[in-house]
Amino acid sequence: DQQVKQNSPSLSVQEGRISILNCDYTNSMFDYFLWYKKYPAEGPTFLISISSIKDKNEDGRFTVFLNKSAKHLSLHIVPSQPGDSAVYFCAAYSNDYKLSFGAGTTVTVRA
Amino acid sequence: EADIYQTPRYLVIGTGKKITLECSQTMGHDKMYWYQQDPGMELHLIHYSYGVNSTEKGDLSSESTVSRIRTEHFPLTLESARPSHTSQYLCASSEMGGASYEQYFGPGTRLTVT
Repeated sequence: DQQVKQNSPSLSVQEGRISILNCDYTNSMFDYFLWYKKYPAEGPTFLISISSIKDKNEDGRFTVFLNKSAKHLSLHIVPSQPGDSAVYFCAAYSNDYKLSFGAGTTVTVRA
Repeated sequence: EADIYQTPRYLVIGTGKKITLECSQTMGHDKMYWYQQDPGMELHLIHYSYGVNSTEKGDLSSESTVSRIRTEHFPLTLESARPSHTSQYLCASSEMGGASYEQYFGPGTRLTVT
């Protein structure tokens, strides 16, 4: 049973506009959330994270929002740039040192 | 910058062959992981290790085996490759404890079994 879900497999956005990626989870024991970015033929690289005790974390153009009551988090990228075109994975962590991943959202930034 | 390496990057092999995918990290991390990932799908954990001589099966059943004789090395072996093993295999590592939950990934091995 998939505990982390990214229901939008793809997203197309114009350069300079905002990209919003969504992620839902079912396990209330998750206490830390991460976003990874992945280019084809490469491994995922860490982008940004948020603890369950916070509702927002910002790092440059990337902001992650967490709504614990809705078991929902989102990643905002603003402004979107061509180099942001990649697959973005949402991941959640519980206390067993393991991450559960969503299926990813492919972002395409149009010039 | 994370230092975790995987070889080979790409492998095409015939059915029935034995293969070993190599993974090494130079960060001294105790925890290491193997994931399997297909396009459009989530990363599935197939093996993990909390340290030397520790190995566990992950959430996804796999016919592969792993070993952890040295902290920096976590190879994955398929005794008899089959077309169903065609996938991307990703190795990762992380620190034990601490405030960081981040896993560092290698570049992956794209395996094709014909």
